[in-house]
Amino acid sequence: DAGVTQSPTHLIKTRGQQVTLRCSPKSGHDTVSWYQQALGQGPQFIFQYYEEEERQRGNFPDRFSGHQFPNYSSELNVNALLLGDSALYLCASSLGSRFAGESTGELFFGEGSRLTVL
Amino acid sequence: DAKTTQPTSMDCAEGRAANLPCNHSTISGNEYVYWYRQIHSQGPQYIIHGLKNNETNEMASLIITEDRKSSTLILPHATLRDTAVYYCIPELGDYKLSFGAGTTVTVRA
Repeated sequence: DAGVTQSPTHLIKTRGQQVTLRCSPKSGHDTVSWYQQALGQGPQFIFQYYEEEERQRGNFPDRFSGHQFPNYSSELNVNALLLGDSALYLCASSLGSRFAGESTGELFFGEGSRLTVL
Repeated sequence: DAKTTQPTSMDCAEGRAANLPCNHSTISGNEYVYWYRQIHSQGPQYIIHGLKNNETNEMASLIITEDRKSSTLILPHATLRDTAVYYCIPELGDYKLSFGAGTTVTVRA
């Protein structure tokens, strides 16, 4: 059973460019969340997708956008890259809604995509 | 949003129990407390979560005080592979977690 897979694992961009990161959730999961982890800090919630729509969003600018496909995979897009966007981007998958009792609430994380902006 | 306070770091001897404290005095009545750990260069890994009652699974035990203002994660027999950053996390929304800086736990032989 494949866990959460992310691609690419590493990439380097320059300021002003755009980047797309990809995530395939764990088999059977339908919810994908994205987190940004700067060096030496804990992950910060960016947004979450469920049923191809953004369900929740953290305190990130509109330069950060996403998409979820019918097969539940997801993309994170960042436009107009800044030096401060350099970070490890983590994807996490889960099932349905914990509040609705559809799951125990466990998030499964991928290994992340490390983005360096020069 | 609920905030948590954890020690910056702690050491533990291999084979001994590791007790990781967390203060979450601002947590609301319906917010679960989650514990995750992150081994260097890997994604976070779920450990355990709880609301009011103490919880135990194959990885750890979670002791929550009656007033829910603090909790303790117990790793019963620490191994070198348990060296990681441990996060005590309040759940802000449906699967929306607020990670702080965590506790860096170093297990020594």
